[in-house]
Amino acid sequence: GAGVSQSPSNKVTEKGKDVELRCDPISGHTALYWYRQSLGQGLEFLIYFQGNSAPDKSGLPSDRFSAERTGGSVSTLTIQRTQQEDSAVYLCASSLRLDRVKGTGEAFFGQGTRLTVV
Amino acid sequence: ELKVEQNPLFLSMQEGKNYTIYCNYSTTSDRLYWYRQDPGKSLESLFVLLSNGAVKQEGRLMASLDTKARLSTLHITAAVHDLSATYFCAVVNNAGNMLTFGGGTRLMVKP
Repeated sequence: GAGVSQSPSNKVTEKGKDVELRCDPISGHTALYWYRQSLGQGLEFLIYFQGNSAPDKSGLPSDRFSAERTGGSVSTLTIQRTQQEDSAVYLCASSLRLDRVKGTGEAFFGQGTRLTVV
Repeated sequence: ELKVEQNPLFLSMQEGKNYTIYCNYSTTSDRLYWYRQDPGKSLESLFVLLSNGAVKQEGRLMASLDTKARLSTLHITAAVHDLSATYFCAVVNNAGNMLTFGGGTRLMVKP
């Protein structure tokens, strides 16, 4: 597709259930980011993938959160045993490699997944 | 660790007025981005600033980058209601492999 695609757009889940959020980046983009945004707040960095390098997981808030990126393309963010404080919009972004020669590194965002834990 | 700070966090202004939003960052970087977010929407890229002294303009918005001062500004000229949104700056880290976002500036332009 032309842009970053995220699914589902909305997810309501019961406390304690596991959820999977999907991100389909722009074709050819080697960098992929996950962010979390609570209502009216800024962007909280979660995890960053760059090509085949080990991901930067430094932003994951607890071990209930994990993410993988298969084949350098689609990424899945998994939240286990969801809690009410996990309710937020989860945003995915992708970019070309941040390299002075190859591109501006501008990140393009998907529309987000609004997660509500009840 | 790269830190990015924006100020003000909230700005209420009258239509027709000018104002500047500031983005300071803590470590050397020569690459900075500005994004706009409308309520309930995702982030939309506004400007890409790739070198010291870079200046970009689009309509009533002008962004500039001073890498020596580690500062970018987003200047609003003769504000109109349509500019009401939250504006984020983002900076590339030293290693050149990751974006770090500021906390955002929520702009409200009143008629």
